[in-house]
Amino acid sequence: EAGVVQSPRYKIIEKKQPVAFWCNPISGHNTLYWYRQNLGQGPELLIRYENEEAVDDSQLPKDRFSAERLKGVDSTLKIQPAELGDSAVYLCASSRGYQGKSLFSYNEQFFGPGTRLTVL
Amino acid sequence: SQQGEEDPQALSIQEGENATMNCSYKTSINNLQWYRQNSGRGLVHLILIRSNEREKHSGRLRVTLDTSKKSSSLLITASRAADTASYFCATDARGYSTLTFGKGTMLLVSP
Repeated sequence: EAGVVQSPRYKIIEKKQPVAFWCNPISGHNTLYWYRQNLGQGPELLIRYENEEAVDDSQLPKDRFSAERLKGVDSTLKIQPAELGDSAVYLCASSRGYQGKSLFSYNEQFFGPGTRLTVL
Repeated sequence: SQQGEEDPQALSIQEGENATMNCSYKTSINNLQWYRQNSGRGLVHLILIRSNEREKHSGRLRVTLDTSKKSSSLLITASRAADTASYFCATDARGYSTLTFGKGTMLLVSP
């Protein structure tokens, strides 16, 4: 089974330039996540999709960040314009989603290798 | 915001020794998961413990959960150099399907 695929792996841009990241989740995984991980920190959720619907984007800086998952499969995260503080690793993850809605449902996430963004 | 706080921030041991990492969290949870991240790589799921479980084992890993103290520990026995990585706890709060990660413990295992 192929894992979560992300591209590019590395990106260096000048501030104020646009940048886009692409993610292809594991086949059959309905839930897709974008995280940002700053150096020395854990991942922080930017947006979560259930199929093609963004169900949690409360942490997405909407003035400059946008995301889409048009057919409920692969997804693109865009930053326009990029700022120096956007330098981080952007991780994509996918999961099957909850196994029903019982108390003991779980949500194991599978992560891609990430895109390391450097804004100069 | 990050709910979990791992302790210690960094841990350095010799091969063969045991490594213990702790995680504290703030709100009620459905389950708690531990992930490993090797340098420059994505995160890999290690083990999940549900809120009604107190201890769980997987190979050389042992996880405990104390919901009254809102804390968990991860024990890696007989550590190997390949265990060198950052370890994160992640909580899945009741009613949500979003994981909240801590800041991680950086483990260095020397040969």
